[in-house]
Amino acid sequence: VLTQSPGTLSLPPGATVTLSCRASQSVYSSDLVWYQQKPGQAPRLLIYSASNRAAGIPDRFSGSGSGTDFTLTISRLEPGDCAIYYCQQDAGSSIVFGGGTKVEI
Amino acid sequence: QVQLQESGPGLVKPSQTLSLTCTVSGDSISSGSFYWSWIRQTAGRGLEWIGRIYTSGSIKSNPSLMSRVTISLDTSMNQFSLQLASVTAADTAFYYCARGTPHYGSYYYESWGQGTLVTVSP
Repeated sequence: VLTQSPGTLSLPPGATVTLSCRASQSVYSSDLVWYQQKPGQAPRLLIYSASNRAAGIPDRFSGSGSGTDFTLTISRLEPGDCAIYYCQQDAGSSIVFGGGTKVEI
Repeated sequence: QVQLQESGPGLVKPSQTLSLTCTVSGDSISSGSFYWSWIRQTAGRGLEWIGRIYTSGSIKSNPSLMSRVTISLDTSMNQFSLQLASVTAADTAFYYCARGTPHYGSYYYESWGQGTLVTVSP
């Protein structure tokens, strides 16, 4: 199980936000992925292997963590960052997604 | 750049089988090593992984759905498909197809279809 917190965040433009993804059991860092989903769109890959940015993702987005605790940090928030952010783990028998954190600007 | 597009009925009756197809363009479905996957999303349950079929044809499904799920590849049409049997209202969701890229024993989804809403209703 992946638990994301907080459920919703509301911050001004320019702020830095840290989103949490906590696993019920230790996770290989290589298995931890972050996505961004805007209204009406499919999820978009942001980070894979806990800290590797996907192609075309600005360096304002960064991921870190190990074991059971992982974070996604978004610096210099922009209005276009309004979205729900999901973490994902390969649990072996299944791919598992967290419940998401909604970021409001 | 690879593109994926879901297609299929938007309305399915309870107890019937939901059938969706994902058409892949920009790359051959039989080339490379990818996990061709189905994922669904509801407001109540969030994102739920349904299952995947590897380029080689091996299949893995969500244990909670496994008994009802069939995933197949059609390399001649460059498509892969999902069948979900005995649907109920709880299967009403947006259904996405996606391509999983292998990475260190796991995989991540870099390419997604736009999604299609399937409603289960009499």
